[in-house]
Amino acid sequence: NAGVTQTPKFQVLKTGQSMTLQCAQDMNHNSMYWYRQDPGMGLRLIYYSASEGTTDKGEVPNGYNVSRLNKREFSLRLESAAPSQTSVYFCASSSWGQGREKLFFGSGTQLSVL
Amino acid sequence: QKEVEQNSGPLSVPEGAIASLNCTYSDRGSQSFFWYRQYSGKSPELIMSIYSNGDKEDGRFTAQLNKASQYVSLLIRDSQPSDSATYLCAVRRNNDMRFGAGTRLTVKP
Repeated sequence: NAGVTQTPKFQVLKTGQSMTLQCAQDMNHNSMYWYRQDPGMGLRLIYYSASEGTTDKGEVPNGYNVSRLNKREFSLRLESAAPSQTSVYFCASSSWGQGREKLFFGSGTQLSVL
Repeated sequence: QKEVEQNSGPLSVPEGAIASLNCTYSDRGSQSFFWYRQYSGKSPELIMSIYSNGDKEDGRFTAQLNKASQYVSLLIRDSQPSDSATYLCAVRRNNDMRFGAGTRLTVKP
């Protein structure tokens, strides 16, 4: 099983450029998440999707948009990148309420905005 | 106020000692509580989950939950150098899953 696959692994953007981070899971999970991680800040929730067709804002949604394309895929878009969006981005998925709750994480995307 | 608070550390303990990590949360409607471990440059991995008040033990790890005090803790017994990592407390309410800033633990041989 591939689990959660994120692409790309590394990306460098110039201020104002746009890009989409892709995430796909093959575990038939309902819930999917995008987090960013900055030094000393832990994981901060950007957006999440409880099921196909639904998305909700997390702690730090400003500057981002998301699309839950289908049950497998959840993408994160930066429309006009800013240096403050330099971070490591993690996608994750889970199905809750089954007694063995766990977030499965992708390997992360290191994004630098110059 | 951040929804999930942890002491950022760093916490340093000698090999073989007990490491104690603490976490508080603000949402009384929280349903599930987790501890994740994250090695430098890696993705977080689940160590323990706990859902009801009291203690839950798994090998060298014990998670403690007190919902009245909105407090979660993790004890690591017989700490090993391989336990050196950042430990993240996480709290779930419905499909919303939030993390604390993490506590960096160093176990010295």
